[in-house]
Amino acid sequence: DIQMIQSPSSLSASVGDRVTITCRASQGISNYLAWYQQKPGKVPKLLIYAASTLQSGVPSRFSGSGSGTDFTLTISSLQPEDVATYYCQKYNSAPFTFGPGTKVDIK
Amino acid sequence: QVQLVESGGGVVQPGRSLRLSCAASGFTFITYAMHWVRQAPGKGLEWVAVISYDGSNKYYADSVKGRFTISRDNSKNTLYLQMNSLRPEDTAVYYCARPLWQRGEYFQHWGQGTLVTVSS
Repeated sequence: DIQMIQSPSSLSASVGDRVTITCRASQGISNYLAWYQQKPGKVPKLLIYAASTLQSGVPSRFSGSGSGTDFTLTISSLQPEDVATYYCQKYNSAPFTFGPGTKVDIK
Repeated sequence: QVQLVESGGGVVQPGRSLRLSCAASGFTFITYAMHWVRQAPGKGLEWVAVISYDGSNKYYADSVKGRFTISRDNSKNTLYLQMNSLRPEDTAVYYCARPLWQRGEYFQHWGQGTLVTVSS
């Protein structure tokens, strides 16, 4: 099965900073990758699918890129409400594995 | 609007069984594959199982294969997860999830989750 790795596992950044999270698949998955945001005590929220398509209603400061095995989620200007854990997920075929998550907080 | 409401969680001893349900409303249930995703306390998301729109295809995570069975009753708009031979490591909040579209297994809609605790 394809494994999903995220880095870093956690980061601390200042408001207004550009933040980049990386997700790597152990085999190519084309662009079958989604990103989720999960705030404490809440259900996950879909941010991006097809590696770079922003889900409706998601702020434009979020963006995704990549294809094959290497993907990134970028927050162009970190806001206090972006404190959360971010997960990538492959969906090219079962199992639809999630990455281990990246916890983002404010410095 | 789309609503997914899980039920059936609780405390169960290791080796015992439990059946979770997910009642769906606000969309045409029969046209969507449906999934279960779980999250152990303080841990990340783990995809568990998927069932096709008509129940003909099912896939499972290796961690639950042979012990869990996903099923659906399209006449009742309800998704199920039968969990047998439960282990302490199955302790988690279990979410049912619906994809955004009828194709593409990424999840726009989630239930509120039901907590399963496996402990003696």
